[in-house]
Amino acid sequence: AQRVTQPEKLLSVFKGAPVELKCNYSYSGSPELFWYVQYSRQRLQLLLRHISRESIKGFTADLNKGETSFHLKKPFAQEEDSAMYYCALKGGNAGGTSYGKLTFGQGTILTVHP
Amino acid sequence: GAVVSQHPSWVICKSGTSVKIECRSLDFQATTMFWYRQFPKQSLMLMATSNEGSKATYEQGVEKDKFLINHASLTLSTLTVTSAHPEDSSFYICSARDSASGRATGELFFGEGSRLTVL
Repeated sequence: AQRVTQPEKLLSVFKGAPVELKCNYSYSGSPELFWYVQYSRQRLQLLLRHISRESIKGFTADLNKGETSFHLKKPFAQEEDSAMYYCALKGGNAGGTSYGKLTFGQGTILTVHP
Repeated sequence: GAVVSQHPSWVICKSGTSVKIECRSLDFQATTMFWYRQFPKQSLMLMATSNEGSKATYEQGVEKDKFLINHASLTLSTLTVTSAHPEDSSFYICSARDSASGRATGELFFGEGSRLTVL
């Protein structure tokens, strides 16, 4: 079974402060992990994925297999970063009919104060 | 980027009626689409995986006869909530992956969601 845990439902920081959104996962295979963001009144969209090792909008996330974590970090938060953030894990067996399905964490609402 | 469109965006219905929600991939083909349910300020819960040309795969605890899924073409999947009751009121979201981009890297694109309110 696969599971994603985001321990913080709410996270508040001030503009310019560092921010870290925590994500831990449980999966028996080799995980593919993602961060999705949902801005107010908008649809869910991909922020970044671990295989790309990219930085999007200043956010980075490193997969730590030892700690089974994929925390999202940004050194200097901006007001426009305020949104709901979801960590997600892609699993399923290749070739199976459920391959590629995403399991989402509970989400963390980030609020960046001016 | 690719666009996934859902229709209707919101619907209000009486208890006992059935409601159909459509999910379309507008500029790409999707052999697989996923249906999620989201409660206010909570996570997305996967309901089922919709496979073009075959039966949907439902997650544990999701009633197949209650939530009928049809994936009749490479660009359309439908979710029908049958005999809806107030507890079915929720936000339903679909997602799809571009079949041409490959399973290893294909990004999932999400619809805007459909809000169902059952009176």
